[in-house]
Amino acid sequence: AQSVAQPEDQVNVAEGNPLTVKCTYSVSGNPYLFWYVQYPNRGLQFLLKYITGDNLVKGSYGFEAEFNKSQTSFHLKKPSALVSDSALYFCAVRDATSGNTGKLIFGQGTTLQVKP
Amino acid sequence: SQTIHQWPATLVQPVGSPLSLECTVEGTSNPNLYWYRQAAGRGLQLLFYSVGIGQISSEVPQNLSASRPQDRQFILSSKKLLLSDSGFYLCARGRERVYNEQFFGPGTRLTVL
Repeated sequence: AQSVAQPEDQVNVAEGNPLTVKCTYSVSGNPYLFWYVQYPNRGLQFLLKYITGDNLVKGSYGFEAEFNKSQTSFHLKKPSALVSDSALYFCAVRDATSGNTGKLIFGQGTTLQVKP
Repeated sequence: SQTIHQWPATLVQPVGSPLSLECTVEGTSNPNLYWYRQAAGRGLQLLFYSVGIGQISSEVPQNLSASRPQDRQFILSSKKLLLSDSGFYLCARGRERVYNEQFFGPGTRLTVL
């Protein structure tokens, strides 16, 4: 079965420190992977995606993610965290069995708390 | 433009009352459209998706229904709300010609009392 796992409910980091939000996936075929961020009472905002090519993907707001095929992981990273990065982060993978419906499978989300 | 409009932004309804949430999208024609529910500020549950006018697929059996009367309009409805229908409802569209990337609307907060 296809799935996305975000093993940490919450990640706490100090402002200025590097941050990592973990994501692992299970999908048939080549994965299409995404990261989204959600601020309180708002819709999800697209951060970045991996479709093919370079394993290190750069996205919005200084975030990047590293695709690791052997570990089936797609961890979100940022070299220096800001208090304003505090939010809920979702990893998602394309449902490879869904044809052209574009359905995504989302992880349960990880709350990032950046403390000053 | 990938702008997505949802209204109302907030809604408080009594148990047993009807529901209609509307979503309209801008951009190219014939987008894939999606309704999600998010409970307790956590994971997303896909409720319905649509690949074209009048075409609705339901992901989970429940008290809700969806319709797509126009290309860029997606409506979520219920005849009688339950307490368990409370949540944050998000409409999303697929990016044109690259269906896998989705863009989300601002959401509707529904509280059923």
